[in-house]
Amino acid sequence: EAGVAQSPRYKIIEKRQSVAFWCNPISGHATLYWYQQILGQGPKLLIQFQNNGVVDDSQLPKDRFSAERLKGVDSTLKIQPAKLEDSAVYLCASSMDRAYEQYFGPGTRLTVT
Amino acid sequence: GEDVEQSLFLSVREGDSSVINCTYTDSSSTYLYWYKQEPGAGLQLLTYIFSNMDMKQDQRLTVLLNKKDKHLSLRIADTQTGDSAIYFCAETCTSGTYKYIFGTGTRLKVLA
Repeated sequence: EAGVAQSPRYKIIEKRQSVAFWCNPISGHATLYWYQQILGQGPKLLIQFQNNGVVDDSQLPKDRFSAERLKGVDSTLKIQPAKLEDSAVYLCASSMDRAYEQYFGPGTRLTVT
Repeated sequence: GEDVEQSLFLSVREGDSSVINCTYTDSSSTYLYWYKQEPGAGLQLLTYIFSNMDMKQDQRLTVLLNKKDKHLSLRIADTQTGDSAIYFCAETCTSGTYKYIFGTGTRLKVLA
């Protein structure tokens, strides 16, 4: 079974630029999560989708971050404009449904200069 | 509020047992998880325990749950150099979304 795929793996941008990350979850997984992991910290949930609907986006900085999951499969997370403090690893995870264990992708390491 | 705490570092000798500890705050958590993260990689699910269990064993891994004290531990028997990584515990919050709250991670270093 293929795991969660993410791209790109690394991205370096200047502050105030825009960036987008892509995630392809495990086939058949209804729930998809985006996490932000700042160096030395545990992952923090940004947004959770159930199929193509948003379940929880309470910690998403909505003035600059946006995410979508069209057709309930792939998802993109966008930052516009980026700030220095957005430097982190962005992890995508999926699960069969909300109460099931989550499987993580390798993450995208973002550096904002 | 929701909070999960872990000690930051643990160093053990190869062949010894490692015990990584975690405390959590949400008494309504249904599942508690242990994940392993190697450098440059995502999180790998190691094991999980349902909140009505006290212990779960899976090969070299033993999870102990003290629900009264909200304390979770992961014991790794016969620790190997390949076990060197960061270990995260996570609790699920049953407020309807089942989102995970992760601890800060414990960096395990195994000395040869």
